[in-house]
Amino acid sequence: DSGVTQTPKHLITATGQRVTLRCSPRSGDLSVYWYQQSLDQGLQFLIQYYNGEERAKGNILERFSAQQFPDLHSELNLSSLELGDSALYFCASSRRDSYNEQFFGPGTRLTVL
Amino acid sequence: GIQVEQSPPDLILQEGANSTLRCNFSDSVNNLQWFHQNPWGQLINLFYIPSGTKQNGRLSATTVATERYSLLYISSSQTTDSGVYFCAVKRGTEASGSRLTFGEGTQLTVNP
Repeated sequence: DSGVTQTPKHLITATGQRVTLRCSPRSGDLSVYWYQQSLDQGLQFLIQYYNGEERAKGNILERFSAQQFPDLHSELNLSSLELGDSALYFCASSRRDSYNEQFFGPGTRLTVL
Repeated sequence: GIQVEQSPPDLILQEGANSTLRCNFSDSVNNLQWFHQNPWGQLINLFYIPSGTKQNGRLSATTVATERYSLLYISSSQTTDSGVYFCAVKRGTEASGSRLTFGEGTQLTVNP
């Protein structure tokens, strides 16, 4: 158990819908990261927050957005869902911004039908 | 961006065998991690090793940062070692943020 929690574990929804994935970092960690794992793209970085502020952005679609709240938990919002958004979404956390080991949550498996 | 190449892509072993997995990267790094993704999809931290050598039980890892590669050694493999092994790096010259770039992984199957 890494100490990072994600909910829900599984999510099945239809095209065009909107969903919210939630992540709680390890106690004391200030950085939260979101990654997407799909069959064709592998594991890809989406976005990083550090102590409530956006720190780095990867190949995150405009239909996707995220935020980190004052209690340091984070949410990833996916809207106008397409079949290709079906993937395993991981949240990770680390103590600070750089030079820190990242620990991954169990992931949310999203299926878009 | 930084390129991460892992080899071999697939590896099949008999229980008890030893193996070496390799990770090559195209730029300087200040973070390198090895992960094991088990059949349930969980990513388990194995090593945080931007340089040097570390050992944890039957597993050990070495990163030679100046030559831009890292090796993961698995000795006396067990069926529970099966899964995908990922190498992930953070580019050293990146101004801010700590995004990890993942390789495509090595799929390891250990047969009884």
